[in-house]
Amino acid sequence: GESVGLHLPTLSVQEGDNSIINCAYSNSASDYFIWYKQESGKGPQFIIDIRSNMDKRQGQRVTVLLNKTVKHLSLQIAATQPGDSAVYFCADRMDTGRRALTFGSGTRLQVQP
Amino acid sequence: KAGVTQTPRYLIKTRGQQVTLSCSPISGHRSVSWYQQTPGQGLQFLFEYFSETQRNKGNFPGRFSGRQFSNSRSEMNVSTLELGDSALYLCASRIRGSGTEAFFGQGTRLTVV
Repeated sequence: GESVGLHLPTLSVQEGDNSIINCAYSNSASDYFIWYKQESGKGPQFIIDIRSNMDKRQGQRVTVLLNKTVKHLSLQIAATQPGDSAVYFCADRMDTGRRALTFGSGTRLQVQP
Repeated sequence: KAGVTQTPRYLIKTRGQQVTLSCSPISGHRSVSWYQQTPGQGLQFLFEYFSETQRNKGNFPGRFSGRQFSNSRSEMNVSTLELGDSALYLCASRIRGSGTEAFFGQGTRLTVV
């Protein structure tokens, strides 16, 4: 079936380094993508989104890249901080009127001091 | 501006019982979605409500139901609880409209024993 998946379950980086979290999606009809961050004991927190008519979008310390040719999405975090340690999810939505998000399985980011 | 509020935060129920969870969306948000999060299945969409009407439904059995009130507050009900229903139930609200991000509450942790 259609799915949104992640390449790596755990990513460990040094504080101050840049982090790149990857996500593959399978539905070419997906028109909207979101990255969420979930800390222990909390609900997912919106980080950044991107529509399918864009290939890059920047926020504060974060950049999302979308490659529709290979159905790949990435989240780049600049100067990773200990507070960035969390599970990161990508989610997509299909351009069919359905407004439900399909989430990937998540990547745990561990920031080493 | 208050965020999405879910009550209760924690709940323990016995198999066969039923449970009702509550979600108050962000003020002005009219769309409420419910998701189930488990370690094995990740985040899965249950249903979405807008203007007191269910607009989308995920692939869950009929034991899972919900409703939305005129003030946009929503409840979800699970009847005849099973051990596998133990999960974090998350509510997300959106203003409504394509591409608008969903804001999540902290969730209700349901444990079925």
